[in-house]
Amino acid sequence: GENVEQHPSTLSVQEGDSAVIKCTYSDSASNYFPWYKQELGKGPQLIIDIRSNVGEKKDQRIAVTLNKTAKHFSLHITETQPEDSAVYFCAAASFNNAGNMLTFGGGTRLMVKP
Amino acid sequence: KAGVTQTPRYLIKTRGQQVTLSCSPISGHRSVSWYQQTPGQGLQFLFEYFSETQRNKGNFPGRFSGRQFSNSRSEMNVSTLELGDSALYLCASSLGRHNEKLFFGSGTQLSVL
Repeated sequence: GENVEQHPSTLSVQEGDSAVIKCTYSDSASNYFPWYKQELGKGPQLIIDIRSNVGEKKDQRIAVTLNKTAKHFSLHITETQPEDSAVYFCAAASFNNAGNMLTFGGGTRLMVKP
Repeated sequence: KAGVTQTPRYLIKTRGQQVTLSCSPISGHRSVSWYQQTPGQGLQFLFEYFSETQRNKGNFPGRFSGRQFSNSRSEMNVSTLELGDSALYLCASSLGRHNEKLFFGSGTQLSVL
């Protein structure tokens, strides 16, 4: 089955700096890669996603890049703010077959210091 | 539009008991998935339902089961609870067959004593 590894497990940045979180996946059939943000006491919230036919996607201060050959994808947050502090999860899935099943990375705790 | 609703929010049970968790998906969503979240194992897929049919199942013992009703609401059941079943159980819904955007509820925090 799919295996997703995520690094780093914790990341501390100064407000205004950029943050980068990296993930690798094992199954070349995976074609959908979402990123989730989880705040304390809440469920994961989808913040951005990318499909395998796209190399990069941007939404305001957040961007995701995908390298299919190397099987890795990354989340980039620019101009970080204290409210960006949370746990971030990457995930991978194959939607060639019917059904929704995500394999998650281990998570990155991002701390933005004001 | 209301989000995914999970009840109860917190639950305390003892070993050997059984528990039923409930999930109401976003209106119009027909797919419901369940995930277990623990500090040690992270987020792990339990199962997914679409139109009352289980489509996928994760690597969990048969003590974990679920079902989906005609209104897309879903329940999951855990029988003969073990200490290791203590976790946050998350429900996620999506529009349907090939719509991959999953929206999660806040979860049910289950503690097994």
